[in-house]
Parts: sequence; structure tokens; C-alpha cells
Amino acid sequence: NAGVMQNPRHLVRRRGQEARLRCSPMKGHSHVYWYRQLPEEGLKFMVYLQKENIIDESGMPKERFSAEFPKEGPSILRIQQVVRGDSAAYFCASSQSLSGGITDTQYFGPGTRLTVL
Amino acid sequence: KNEVEQSPQNLTAQEGEFITINCSYSVGISALHWLQQHPGGGIVSLFMLSSGKKKHGRLIATINIQEKHSSLHITASHPRDSAVYICAVIGRRGSQGNLIFGKGTKLSVKP
Repeated sequence: NAGVMQNPRHLVRRRGQEARLRCSPMKGHSHVYWYRQLPEEGLKFMVYLQKENIIDESGMPKERFSAEFPKEGPSILRIQQVVRGDSAAYFCASSQSLSGGITDTQYFGPGTRLTVL
Repeated sequence: KNEVEQSPQNLTAQEGEFITINCSYSVGISALHWLQQHPGGGIVSLFMLSSGKKKHGRLIATINIQEKHSSLHITASHPRDSAVYICAVIGRRGSQGNLIFGKGTKLSVKP
């Protein structure tokens, strides 16, 4: 069973370009989470999605950032018109469906390191 | 003040030593995670707990809900344990994905 996969692992963009980060959850997992780690800072929650639904986007910047998790295919984190401050490591995690309201363990992907020139 | 505080920030130990990393939080929580971030950046979930104690190999995690405190212990530490250890909580008011992270404890174990 492959783990959480993210691609690309490294992404370089110039200011003003778009960045698309992909996350394929573990097989059987229907919950996806995106986190951002800025240089020399801790991890911050961005968004929590289930298939075709955004459950919690309270950590997403109001502009330029969007996320989706379609019925088929990977989850996508999209950053439009990137700026230097978007340079960070973006981690995706996935978990199984909740059962009885119990929180499930999250499994993390290797991350995508975005560099904005 | 951060909602999740870890101590120490940095820790250097000799191989074989018993290590303790502490995490205190100020919000009501439904669960607490301990994560390990390797020097290459990859993140591994070590434990998720909401009460009591869990053990996996040389790692032990405890949580005291009344005192809002958790500890991660490593017995017989080894250089391969060198990593950043991160405490993260799920606040009762947030969704189960909305982890609030500590800044991490950087552990270096010398041979």
C-alpha cells in the first residue's frame, strides 16, 4: 500500500505565475489535509477536504489560494499569482473515514518545496 | 502566547540517554499528536492520543488532560532518533483536520 504521494517534490515559479501542487492520499483514505511550513517556522493548517467537499478552510489565505479534492484524481492545492512569501514546504496528509466520531491518524506525504523567484 | 508550547526548543543527548520532550497547550482538545520530522523534511506520525499513555518500541507518549500537558519519552536514545519532534493538538472547536502545531523540539543524539 503506497503512502501519501505528493508531486512535484520541488517546484520553482517566478512571481506572478501559478503553482499547482498535487496530493494522492493513501488507498482507502477519503480525508485530505494541507499544511504549510514557512522557512524557520512551524507547520500551519490550511484546509481540510473530503471528496468533492471542503470541510474546513479556516487556514487558507483569502486570496490566490484554492483547494479541491475531486471525485476522481488527486487533491490539488492551487496558488495563483505567486509571491516570494509563498515560498514554503507544503505538506499533504490523509486519513480514513471517521468512525463513531473518533479522530483518525493522519499520514503525511513527503511535501512539495515551492520556491518563488 | 502560542496555544501549543514545547520545551526544550533544542536538545542534545548522548547515545543511550533517556529523553523527555514536553508539550503544554492552552485550549480544550479532542486529541494530541506527536510527529517526527526527519532532517530531509519528511513527517511521520508517531502517536495520537486523547488520554493516558501509549508505547511503541522505545517511544512512550503520555497525556494529562487536566494539566493540559503531554510528554514524549525516548528510552535508550540512538543517533537515528535525531529529528525535530512536533506536538500538535486538535482543538475542540476546530475540525479534526485543524491541527495546531508547536514549534518543535530539535533533538540531536551524539554517538
